[in-house]
Amino acid sequence: DAGVTQSPTHLIKTRGQHVTLRCSPISGHKSVSWYQQVLGQGPQFIFQYYEKEERGRGNFPDRFSARQFPNYSSELNVNALLLGDSALYLCASSLAGGLGETQYFGPGTRLLVL
Amino acid sequence: RKEVEQDPGPFNVPEGATVAFNCTYSNSASQSFFWYRQDCRKEPKLLMSVYSSGNEDGRFTAQLNRASQYISLLIRDSKLSDSATYLCVVTSTGFQKLVFGTGTRLLVSP
Repeated sequence: DAGVTQSPTHLIKTRGQHVTLRCSPISGHKSVSWYQQVLGQGPQFIFQYYEKEERGRGNFPDRFSARQFPNYSSELNVNALLLGDSALYLCASSLAGGLGETQYFGPGTRLLVL
Repeated sequence: RKEVEQDPGPFNVPEGATVAFNCTYSNSASQSFFWYRQDCRKEPKLLMSVYSSGNEDGRFTAQLNRASQYISLLIRDSKLSDSATYLCVVTSTGFQKLVFGTGTRLLVSP
């Protein structure tokens, strides 16, 4: 079975631009979460979606937004990119987003903002 | 103060050694606890969940002390393939948010 997939794998943008990152969860999983991992740090929670509804939001500015589609895939959008947005963006899926459920991570999208 | 704190290391150990990592968490309402492993430039992968009763998976043993709010991971008989960053993770309350420590880097040498 396919795991969590993300696209693109790498991306280079310039300051002020907009970016859209995509994630497809494991088949049967209805919850998707997004994390940002800056070099040398652990991943930081950005959003969780379940059944197309936002369930939780981390401490990120409004430039970050996301949505989940009827097929449970998800997009993360970042507007007005800053140099500090350069990071590995990870998507994780779980069956129903329950607290004790295992989250499975995709390979991530490496974003470099110049 | 960070919600989950870990010693970043690196821990340099020879093959066959036993190594232990600890982490502390600040939110006493945290409900679930995990150790994830992350290889260089790869995604985190679940190593094991952590329970108050302690749990073991082969060479790996995890313990949770709720009273002291710390979590430990013990690796016995280290292999070269154990070289990675080990992330201590707790969940918050209310929704499925994983809170990660900065990770502890382990280097196992021949």
